[in-house]
Amino acid sequence: RKEVEQDPGPFNVPEGATVAFNCTYSNSASQSFFWYRQDCRKEPKLLMSVYSSGNEDGRFTAQLNRASQYISLLIRDSKLSDSATYLCVVTRYNFNKFYFGSGTKLNVKP
Amino acid sequence: NAGVTQTPKFRILKIGQSMTLQCAQDMNHNYMYWYRQDPGMGLKLIYYSVGAGITDKGEVPNGYNVSRSTTEDFPLRLELAAPSQTSVYFCASSVGTSGLLGEQFFGPGTRLTVL
Repeated sequence: RKEVEQDPGPFNVPEGATVAFNCTYSNSASQSFFWYRQDCRKEPKLLMSVYSSGNEDGRFTAQLNRASQYISLLIRDSKLSDSATYLCVVTRYNFNKFYFGSGTKLNVKP
Repeated sequence: NAGVTQTPKFRILKIGQSMTLQCAQDMNHNYMYWYRQDPGMGLKLIYYSVGAGITDKGEVPNGYNVSRSTTEDFPLRLELAAPSQTSVYFCASSVGTSGLLGEQFFGPGTRLTVL
C-alpha cells in the first residue's frame, strides 16, 4: 500500500467555486503533514502545514483527521490562479524522508 | 537568501555521457534531497543526506551517485547516462530537529534530456 494516496483528478471547477481534496496516509505514526502546490514545469512550493487543530490561511483551510488517517484541503472562492497540482506530503517521527502523494490536479475555469 | 539553487537549468546529454547536477542551499539546513519527476508523474526520491558526510539511498538510486562534503552543497552525479534518466531533477532541503522534519524548500529544477 502506498504511504500517501491522493485522487489524481482533474477537478474542473468554475471560478468562485469551493473545492475540497482529501489525502489518506497509511502509517499511523505519521507526524507532520503539509500541502504543497506545484505549477506546471515548476518546483513544488509549500502552501500550508497542517496542524492537529486545523489551520486556515485566507481562502485555504487544511484539516487533519488522525483517527481516519486523512488530511483535507478546502479552497473557497476559487481563482483562475489556483489552477495547479496539489501535493499531499507526510513525514514520520525519526524518519528522514518526506512521503509525497502523486498530486491532485485542479483546473479553475472562467 | 538565495534559498536552494540548482545548475544547470537545462542539459542535453548523449547516451553514455556523464554529468554532475549542482545543488546548493544557504539556509544552513542539515537535510538535503534529490528527486526526479517524470512527465505527469509524482516525485521519486533518488538520494538524501542528513548532514555533511552522510548520504543514503532513496527509492530510485541506480545510475546516480551523491556526495555531501559541506552543509551547503549536495551534487548529484550521473554516470553513463541512459534515455530512462530523461527527467526533471529537483533538489530540496529542510531542517530536521529532535526527529521531526520541517518544511522542505525546493530548487527550480534541472531539465535533463538524454538522447
